[in-house]
Order: sequence, then structure tokens, then C-alpha cells
Amino acid sequence: AQSVSQHNHHVILSEAASLELGCNYSYGGTVNLFWYVQYPGQHLQLLLKYFSGDPLVKGIKGFEAEFIKSKFSFNLRKPSVQWSDTAEYFCAVSPDDKIIFGKGTRLHILP
Amino acid sequence: DTGVSQNPRHKITKRGQNVTFRCDPISEHNRLYWYRQTLGQGPEFLTYFQNEAQLEKSRLLSDRFSAERPKGSFSTLEIQRTEQGDSAMYLCASSPPGYSYNEQFFGPGTRLTVL
Repeated sequence: AQSVSQHNHHVILSEAASLELGCNYSYGGTVNLFWYVQYPGQHLQLLLKYFSGDPLVKGIKGFEAEFIKSKFSFNLRKPSVQWSDTAEYFCAVSPDDKIIFGKGTRLHILP
Repeated sequence: DTGVSQNPRHKITKRGQNVTFRCDPISEHNRLYWYRQTLGQGPEFLTYFQNEAQLEKSRLLSDRFSAERPKGSFSTLEIQRTEQGDSAMYLCASSPPGYSYNEQFFGPGTRLTVL
């Protein structure tokens, strides 16, 4: 069965630190990949997506992710986090019409 | 607001009662999805519609659950004879036609508490 694994359930960083959230998926075929974010009190929103082409994708708010096909990975990065990045982050894969989500990573940024 | 809307936002019910949730997708989005999210988990797919046709149902969707999208616009999700294990956030999402059809836009969710 297809699955998504997020390496960290809870991450705490200070402002200006660099961020990398790990994500691996299990699916042998062509997939579309996503990172969704849920800020406190808000609904899920798309941070970035990969469908095809350049494996390094850029999203909103300075986030980027790199698709490494050989490693089945799609890690999320940001060079310098801000307090406003405090949120829960979900990696997701879409091999067909539905989306399969990871369990999420709660990110706390200390001011 | 032109995003996905869901009603009610919160529902508290007693075990054994029936509940119904409504989702209004973004206008002109032909695909509509239902997910369930429990504490500490990511959203889990339940079912989806393309226009009025229900195309896939997850094994998570027991016989007590039924979803409809009668005119290809809004959708309802009904849970009959609710159980405490049904307590969760129920999310609706919609996506537009075209190559990016699986970029989904989520609503705020309906939080169900079964006592």
C-alpha cells in the first residue's frame, strides 16, 4: 500500500535557523508530490507541489523542496525560519486521484 | 470568501444519533473529496466525486457512512448510528478540471465529537 513517512513529529527551532523536514514515500510509479501547511486556527493550504520537470521546486514564503526519485524522498527546506512559520506541515503524495498524507510535523519557532 | 466552505464547523452528538455535514466547493471545481483527520494523524481519504458521480470510496468508509453530490455542486456526508470512534475532523476539498486536477483546496473542516 502507498504510504508517506515524515521523519520528525515535532521540531523546535529558533528564529533564523535553517529547516529541513524529511519525507519519504512508498510508491513505484509516477506520483505527484505536495507539502501542505496548517497554521494555528487555519485550514490546510498548499505550500508547494511537484508534478514534473525541475526536481527543485519553490513554494510560498521562501520554502522549497527537492524531489529525489532514487531515494523516494521529497524533503522540505527553508534557509532561515521565522516565528510565523510555526505550523503543522504535511507531506503528501498523489499516485492517482486521491492524496495520501503523512502524519505531519509540528514545527515550533522560538522568537 | 470564494474558498471551500463547510457546515457546521462543530458538531457534538450522542452515540447512536445520525449526523450530516455539508460541503460547498469552489465554484466550477468538478471534483470534491472527503477526508477524515484524527488527532496526531494526517488527513485520510474517504471518498471523492467527479461532478455528481462518486468514483471511489475508501475501505475506511463503513456502511454507516454515505456521501452524496446530487447536482454536482455541494456535497453531504452522513454518518448513521454514530460511534465514539467517529469523533474526528471531517475535511472537504475540491479541485478544478484540467491537468492540475489533483491540486486540492481544503475547507476549514467540521469537528465531530461523539459523546
